[in-house]
Amino acid sequence: GDSVTQMEGPVTLSEEAFLTINCTYTATGYPSLFWYVQYPGEGLQLLLKATKADDKGSNKGFEATYRKETTSFHLEKGSVQVSDSAVYFCALRGGGSYIPTFGRGTSLIVHP
Amino acid sequence: EAGVTQFPSHSVIEKGQTVTLRCDPISGHDNLYWYRRVMGKEIKFLLHFVKESKQDESGMPNNRFLAERTGGTYSTLKVQPAELEDSGVYFCASSTTGGGYGYTFGSGTRLTVV
Repeated sequence: GDSVTQMEGPVTLSEEAFLTINCTYTATGYPSLFWYVQYPGEGLQLLLKATKADDKGSNKGFEATYRKETTSFHLEKGSVQVSDSAVYFCALRGGGSYIPTFGRGTSLIVHP
Repeated sequence: EAGVTQFPSHSVIEKGQTVTLRCDPISGHDNLYWYRRVMGKEIKFLLHFVKESKQDESGMPNNRFLAERTGGTYSTLKVQPAELEDSGVYFCASSTTGGGYGYTFGSGTRLTVV
């Protein structure tokens, strides 16, 4: 079945550092890929998405590129802020299914 | 508009007790989903309502879990009797269509069974 693998956390960075959170997936067909973010005390929010190979999703300074050849969708940000501290979930939705498959989540802690 | 509301936000119960979680979706959202995240693991799908009907309950772990959505508005998820492995965060989400882009999640209920 479909699965999503994320790097273990927590990821601890200083403000303005470069961020990469790795995500790889296994799926049949051509899934849509997502990153969700959960800020403390809040629900999951859709951060960005990509629906086909080589698409780049972007939002709030975060980017991720759908790489079919490496089955990856790594999340990047050039300069993180304290307010980016949250848990980030990679997810996919396979063709014909409306139910997303989530990864384990990666906690990001940004220090001033 | 109000978001998806879940309560309680936290619940601590003893093994063998009963707990009922509630989710109020966004008004007008016919689709309602329950998910669970056990500590440090993936967010797992539990079930999906379309209005008051269960569209897909393939993720429900066992018959100790009972979900209802009477009248197609709010939903409850009852765990009876609770076991230690039921501890985790229970999320609810709602959407207007069955697709994956328009989900709105609640902030979750953290359930601890001791």
